[in-house]
Amino acid sequence: KQEVTQIPAALSVPEGENLVLNCSFTDSAIYNLQWFRQDPGKGLTSLLLIQSSQREQTSGRLNASLDKSSGRSTLYIAASQPGDSATYLCAVRLRVGGSEKLVFGKGTKLTVNP
Amino acid sequence: NAGVTQTPKFRILKIGQSMTLQCTQDMNHNYMYWYRQDPGMGLKLIYYSVGAGITDKGEVPNGYNVSRSTTEDFPLRLELAAPSQTSVYFCASSYSSGGARYEQYFGPGTRLTVT
Repeated sequence: KQEVTQIPAALSVPEGENLVLNCSFTDSAIYNLQWFRQDPGKGLTSLLLIQSSQREQTSGRLNASLDKSSGRSTLYIAASQPGDSATYLCAVRLRVGGSEKLVFGKGTKLTVNP
Repeated sequence: NAGVTQTPKFRILKIGQSMTLQCTQDMNHNYMYWYRQDPGMGLKLIYYSVGAGITDKGEVPNGYNVSRSTTEDFPLRLELAAPSQTSVYFCASSYSSGGARYEQYFGPGTRLTVT
């Protein structure tokens, strides 16, 4: 059974710091991995999607990497800002039986202090 | 382009009542999903659909029903609401074609309380 783990569960950093969020998964037979951001009381916003054949994706100050063989992904946030404060979730897409599904981690709650 | 929209935003139900959560997407996505999110438990898949007329169960389907009569709409029906169905419900959609699988987009959620 695929399990997705995100460590740490919470992280507090001062503004301007570069930081890394971690995501690990137990089954490397994935189609892709997606990083989301969730603000309190809101839905999920897609940040980056990495296909299984890719190693990384970049969008602005965000860079996500994928190492399928070791079952790991990282989300790097450069020059963090208070507006980056949110919960960050990773999810892997895989085939389970005759269907496909996303399996989510429980998220890392990030607080960036001014 | 509104993306994925959900109604209502909030709802309080009494035990045993029924209701339908509405979900619409305007991106012509073939896949649609319903998730529930409980504190500390992450997101769990309730039902999903790979196209109009086709639905299938996810991890936690008991107590729910869905239909997909059009590409755009994917309503979730709760029959005989129970306190265990108190949760935040998210609808999502994505596009897949051949071997390509693209991002999932989420709606803003419906916060449901059953008392």
